[in-house]
Amino acid sequence: SQQGEEDPQALSIQEGENATMNCSYKTSINNLQWYRQNSGRGLVHLILIRSNEREKHSGRLRVTLDTSKKSSSLLITASRAADTASYFCAIRPYGNNRLAFGKGNQVVVIP
Amino acid sequence: DTEVTQTPKHLVMGMTNKKSLKCEQHMGHRAMYWYKQKAKKPPELMFVYSYEKLSINESVPSRFSPECPNSSLLNLHLHALQPEDSALYLCASSQDGQGDTGELFFGEGSRLTVL
Repeated sequence: SQQGEEDPQALSIQEGENATMNCSYKTSINNLQWYRQNSGRGLVHLILIRSNEREKHSGRLRVTLDTSKKSSSLLITASRAADTASYFCAIRPYGNNRLAFGKGNQVVVIP
Repeated sequence: DTEVTQTPKHLVMGMTNKKSLKCEQHMGHRAMYWYKQKAKKPPELMFVYSYEKLSINESVPSRFSPECPNSSLLNLHLHALQPEDSALYLCASSQDGQGDTGELFFGEGSRLTVL
């Protein structure tokens, strides 16, 4: 499968805690992206990491990529109630302009 | 606020109706996409237009007919749909869909219910 697969599928944490999600995939990639989706809304691009990058930061987000293990992680630090959403990883396979989404990860941040 | 605008936000239609979903972006992007998303599932790619030409059709049934009148507009014409086609239809755009890295900008979606 070209899709990314997130792990865990659902996460419930207290406000202020960190949330970590993992994504695995099976094909060679050009880049891997993370998106957030609030309930019933469109997806919002969070961060993109290229295949030759190992780590990237954006505000409270930290993404790592291990191409040897074909896996990525998304860390949200100091979570807020507003971070409650579904988070999807998406891979752009090498030589392919399809963006394939993983199953998604529901994160609930309890105030 | 998203820079990709989708109308209508909600649509209810019967199986014999003909309706259209519309999408507009003014970011100068040359690639536009239609995705279908069922509840608690990831978006599934349906169509990709690149430079106003259909470049990807993911074996979508012919009751869904895409149209790209110009680089800013994308339509999805609906005819003789089935109840299982009820879903959130998401439009997205990216810089050019070929050599770009492919960050997608999504609209808020059109929630379709087929009775």
